[in-house]
Amino acid sequence: AQSVTQLDSHVSVSEGTPVLLRCNYSSSYSPSLFWYVQHPNKGLQLLLKYTSAATLVKGINGFEAEFKKSETSFHLTKPSAHMSDAAEYFCVVTPYTGTASKLTFGTGTRLQVTL
Amino acid sequence: EAQVTQNPRYLITVTGKKLTVTCSQNMNHEYMSWYRQDPGLGLRQIYYSMNVEVTDKGDVPEGYKVSRKEKRNFPLILESPSPNQTSLYFCASSAGRPLWGNSPLHFGNGTRLTVT
Repeated sequence: AQSVTQLDSHVSVSEGTPVLLRCNYSSSYSPSLFWYVQHPNKGLQLLLKYTSAATLVKGINGFEAEFKKSETSFHLTKPSAHMSDAAEYFCVVTPYTGTASKLTFGTGTRLQVTL
Repeated sequence: EAQVTQNPRYLITVTGKKLTVTCSQNMNHEYMSWYRQDPGLGLRQIYYSMNVEVTDKGDVPEGYKVSRKEKRNFPLILESPSPNQTSLYFCASSAGRPLWGNSPLHFGNGTRLTVT
């Protein structure tokens, strides 16, 4: 069994300030974890992924996330927010091994960036 | 350009009138999947397909059908739509095996369905 909890449904930051979007997971197996971003009227786009290699993962557009097994967390961060980062972000978990077909999505965090 | 194409983008229909939402990918991906997105619920998987003629139920399959006769196409069929199927639907594909980490999902742009 697996699940993912995004701790904030909405986060608002000022442009140029750090971003933190929180994600906790549970999984019976070693997980693969992903962050996807959805801009308005668009499909989801992969930001970054963790697949049991380095625990600090760098993605596109300056985002990164750190896998912390002891805390079962995979929080998404960015040092300095840009207006174009305003979107909805989804944390996703799936088992790492085997022919896994089931992905579990979080309920999403809407990031607002203000001037 | 590698892409997943869904049609239509918007669809308004009435209760009980059969409809099909098409999905096509040009990446020769084996895995394809349908999701519905509802406020506060994130994305929930409806059906998925690991390859041609192989389909399986996801978390919310009731009221939906799919088929996978060709590798590139994975249509979603609503035989008798009801208002609770009003939602935003996404199709996605992936090379998909065996490690998800090396084969992330590629999403279409979505189909917004309204059933009155």
